[in-house]
Amino acid sequence: EAAVTQSPRNKVTVTGGNVTLSCRQTNSHNYMYWYRQDTGHGLRLIHYSYGAGNLQIGDVPDGYKATRTTQEDFFLLLELASPSQTSLYFCASGTENQDTQYFGPGTRLLVL
Amino acid sequence: AQSVTQPDARVTVSEGASLQLRCKYSYSGTPYLFWYVQYPRQGLQLLLKYYSGDPVVQGVNGFEAEFIKSNSSFHLRKASVHWSDSAVYFCAVSANTGYQNFYFGKGTSLTVIP
Repeated sequence: EAAVTQSPRNKVTVTGGNVTLSCRQTNSHNYMYWYRQDTGHGLRLIHYSYGAGNLQIGDVPDGYKATRTTQEDFFLLLELASPSQTSLYFCASGTENQDTQYFGPGTRLLVL
Repeated sequence: AQSVTQPDARVTVSEGASLQLRCKYSYSGTPYLFWYVQYPRQGLQLLLKYYSGDPVVQGVNGFEAEFIKSNSSFHLRKASVHWSDSAVYFCAVSANTGYQNFYFGKGTSLTVIP
């Protein structure tokens, strides 16, 4: 069965802190995505990738970096976290024909 | 520009009543259309999807949706809701060719009153 896992599930950091969110998929999908979910905004795409070493900018990339080290692993990096980045972060994977995206359980990040 | 509008942020219905959650999209081309559900403290799960053919598509747990091209709509329906259907529902659109992103609506929070 398709699976996307995320770690950590919850994270608290301080303003200016350094945070790495991890995502792993075992779906053999080429595409992986990072979204943030905020009340009143729904899901907004931060970055995505269509393969190891590839990175594409999404709709709300400011303050975020990402790296795709393997087909399975996609990381989201916040190098100088700010309170505005307090959010629920979802990772997803999908195929080239965009027929479906499979989501992880989410990481709740609080920046104090 | 591509976009998805879910005009109802919150919907409350009684158990056993029928349900319609509205979704309108703006997309330059022929879209793929989706409904996802998010239960509390969980990720999004696919309910149903439409690519082509019969405009009424069936999903899990008795949900269905109808694609109306002339109206750019893809409303979600259920004949009789159960309290366990309480969740947030997201409509989404993507391209049917090429490397395009998904565009999600802001979601509709459904509360089913027992």
